[in-house]
Amino acid sequence: NAGVTQTPKFRVLKTGQSMTLLCAQDMNHEYMYWYRQDPGMGLRLIHYSVGEGTTAKGEVPDGYNVSRLKKQNFLLGLESAAPSQTSVYFCASRTRDKSTDTQYFGPGTRLTVL
Amino acid sequence: AQTVTQSQPEMSVQEAETVTLSCTYDTSESDYYLFWYKQPPSRQMILVIRQEAYKQQNATENRFSVNFQKAAKSFSLKISDSQLGDAAMYFCAYRSAYNAGNMLTFGGGTRLMVKP
Repeated sequence: NAGVTQTPKFRVLKTGQSMTLLCAQDMNHEYMYWYRQDPGMGLRLIHYSVGEGTTAKGEVPDGYNVSRLKKQNFLLGLESAAPSQTSVYFCASRTRDKSTDTQYFGPGTRLTVL
Repeated sequence: AQTVTQSQPEMSVQEAETVTLSCTYDTSESDYYLFWYKQPPSRQMILVIRQEAYKQQNATENRFSVNFQKAAKSFSLKISDSQLGDAAMYFCAYRSAYNAGNMLTFGGGTRLMVKP
């Protein structure tokens, strides 16, 4: 049981380059989230999805796009990376069932934009 | 919008002692959930404890307990008999009961160091 996995674990980009972060979960969860973590600021929600084919903006969506073409995958794209997007990115998922409230997190992706 | 504040960037505790981490939040909602997450050096986020706002009884999970003061909008975490493995970043988080996406709002975190 892999839980939530993220690819890649580390990445270095130059300003203006693009990349896609992949999140995969094998728990058949409906809800998936992308967060970024910066020192002293905790985790901030970038985008989220409540089901296959649906996405919505979170607290800090600018500069990012997402897609949820398959229920188990949630992709985060950076079209033109900027140094301000240097951060650790976490994906999370949870079930729609409100009787349980656990969000399952991936191990994170450390992204550096030069 | 809700906000979560953790006023202690770092805390230190002696092994086997008790430590309390502070968290305050701001909301106009009456129904919500509060959480403490632990993030060890592996960066994995681990749910420590959960509190439902409509329950007056403070949640407890083994050595971890909370002091939930709804009127004061305070939600502190007490760790008893601290162990070396408790060293980590701890995040307080809020979830509205009215939000369809069940999103979490996190505080800035407290780094807990445990001295042997």
